[in-house]
Parts: sequence; C-alpha cells; structure tokens
Amino acid sequence: ETGVTQSPTHLIKTRGQQVTLRCSSQSGHNTVSWYQQALGQGPQFIFQYYREEENGRGNFPPRFSGLQFPNYSSELNVNALELDDSALYLCASSAGLAVTSPQQYFGPGTRLTVT
Amino acid sequence: DQQVKQNSPSLSVQEGRISILNCDYTNSMFDYFLWYKKYPAEGPTFLISISSIKDKNEDGRFTVFLNKSAKHLSLHIVPSQPGDSAVYFCAATGRGGSEKLVFGKGTKLTVNP
Repeated sequence: ETGVTQSPTHLIKTRGQQVTLRCSSQSGHNTVSWYQQALGQGPQFIFQYYREEENGRGNFPPRFSGLQFPNYSSELNVNALELDDSALYLCASSAGLAVTSPQQYFGPGTRLTVT
Repeated sequence: DQQVKQNSPSLSVQEGRISILNCDYTNSMFDYFLWYKKYPAEGPTFLISISSIKDKNEDGRFTVFLNKSAKHLSLHIVPSQPGDSAVYFCAATGRGGSEKLVFGKGTKLTVNP
C-alpha cells in the first residue's frame, strides 16, 4: 500500500507567477484535502475534493483552485502568487465521506517560497 | 477566530516521565478530535482520535482524554521516549469526520534522555 506522495518537494517562484502542486492519494482513498501551513502555524484547510467534485472550501481567495482526477490524484493551482503564499502545502487523503473514521493521511508536503 | 487552541508552544520532559499536551476548542459542533505528530520535513502523522461520545481513548503509550463540558482535551504519553520529540497538533472535525480538519498551532515536545 503506497502512501500519499506530493511533488515537487520544494519550489521557488516569483510574485505574480502561477504554480501547480501535485498529489497522489493513498491507495483506496477517494477524498483529497489540501492544507496550507505557514511558519509557526497549524495547517489551514484550503479545500476538499470527493470523487472529482469540490466538497468544501476554506477561507482562501479564488486564485487558489484545484482539480481531482479519475484516479483520485489531485492538483492545487495558485495564480498571481503573493509573498504571503510562501508556506508548506500539505495534501491529505481519506477513505471517503460515508465512513466514520476521521483520519486523513498526509503527504510530506511541498515547500513553496515566493520571492 | 481560532477554534482550536494549543496554548503551550513547547514542553520539555525527561525520558520515562509522563508528557501531557493540552488543547481547548470553542466550537460545540465538533464531533471528532485527533492528534497528529509532525517531524521536520515530514507531513503530519495520525496518532490517536476520540469521538465526542467518549471521554477516553487509549492506544499503547498514548491516551486522549476529552472533557466536553470544559471543551478541553489532552494527550498523555507514558512513558515518554526521546523518539517522541516532535510537534504535536490537536485537530477537530465535525459531522462524523467527513469535513475539514481544524488544527491548533501545535506544541513542540522535547523528551530529554
């Protein structure tokens, strides 16, 4: 059973650019959530995808968008990057909305630096 | 408005002693509470969870206690080991766990040999 993987590991972008981060969910999981963790803070929920549909969104502007593919892998896209977007971006997968087990399984994250 | 609070940024204990990490929450709609451990350069790793219908859940050296009336939960690690040194996050979620996780800011635990 493979765990959650994310790519790339690190990324440096310039303010105003666009970035795409990728995530492969754990085998058998159909739900993916994305979180942003700024330095010294806990992870903050960006949005969640269930079977390719957005299922909830946190307090992030529309320039944060996502996709989930039929194989349940996912992308996070951020347009018009700002300096405050510098953070660790975490992807988490879980077994779906109908289960009672609440665990989400996290990938190692992508460290984004915006200069 | 921070719905999940971990008021101690750091905690230091001796190997073999008990570590107690605390967490407070404000949202009465939370159904599940979870603890995650995070090492540098890794994603958070799930440790233990508790449903709001219980007041205690135990898994090996880890026990989580929930006091709903006080909106408070704690994680006990007994005995503490140097490998437990990490940042511990408290998280909460509603509606049977299908919603987003709301995290605290974390507590850095250091277990000294």
